[in-house]
Amino acid sequence: DVKVTQSSRYLVKRTGEKVFLECVQDMDHENMFWYRQDPGLGLRLIYFSYDVKMKEKGDIPEGYSVSREKKERFSLILESASTNQTSMYLCASSLHSQELNTEAFFGQGTRLTVV
Amino acid sequence: AQKVTQAQTEISVVEKEDVTLDCVYETRDTTYYLFWYKQPPSGELVFLIRRNSFDEQNEISGRYSWNFQKSTSSFNFTITASQVVDSAVYFCALTSDSGTYKYIFGTGTRLKVLA
Repeated sequence: DVKVTQSSRYLVKRTGEKVFLECVQDMDHENMFWYRQDPGLGLRLIYFSYDVKMKEKGDIPEGYSVSREKKERFSLILESASTNQTSMYLCASSLHSQELNTEAFFGQGTRLTVV
Repeated sequence: AQKVTQAQTEISVVEKEDVTLDCVYETRDTTYYLFWYKQPPSGELVFLIRRNSFDEQNEISGRYSWNFQKSTSSFNFTITASQVVDSAVYFCALTSDSGTYKYIFGTGTRLKVLA
């Protein structure tokens, strides 16, 4: 079974803190994604990566950065957390970088609260 | 531009009723894939089905069925004889040539099945 593991289910951070959300997949997938889920807005893509050290901005990259130093790990970084970044963060991976037909596998999500 | 619309924000049904979740998509590409995911209260999105743009056959899997109609750009999902365990948020998603490897999600439909 494909497993996508996010390091925390719940996080509470203070405004201005630097926050790291970690995601690991164990099936040698090329693509990895970070989404943000908010009520009424669905899943919005923050960043995705199609290879080690490769990244592309999604629809809402402002205030975030990412790191992919190893194929299995994709980190989302909030440089200076703000209250409007309180949300559910979902990591996903998919098998091939250039195929449309592979489904994405999701982690369990990290609910981040910034106070 | 790619877009997925799930106009139904929330649906409540009584157990054993049939329910249809609507999904309308927009893309100018001829090659694309459509997906349905289920997000139970635990938070992890679970893949349900994938359909490509060249295959308009309907699909049935147990109590679940999917109706893909290119003429109306819709990919609707029907649950027959709903059960309480079907309560979840359901997302429709799209990948297409010009969207590269990104999954475009709708805003989701929350289904509540009442005992």
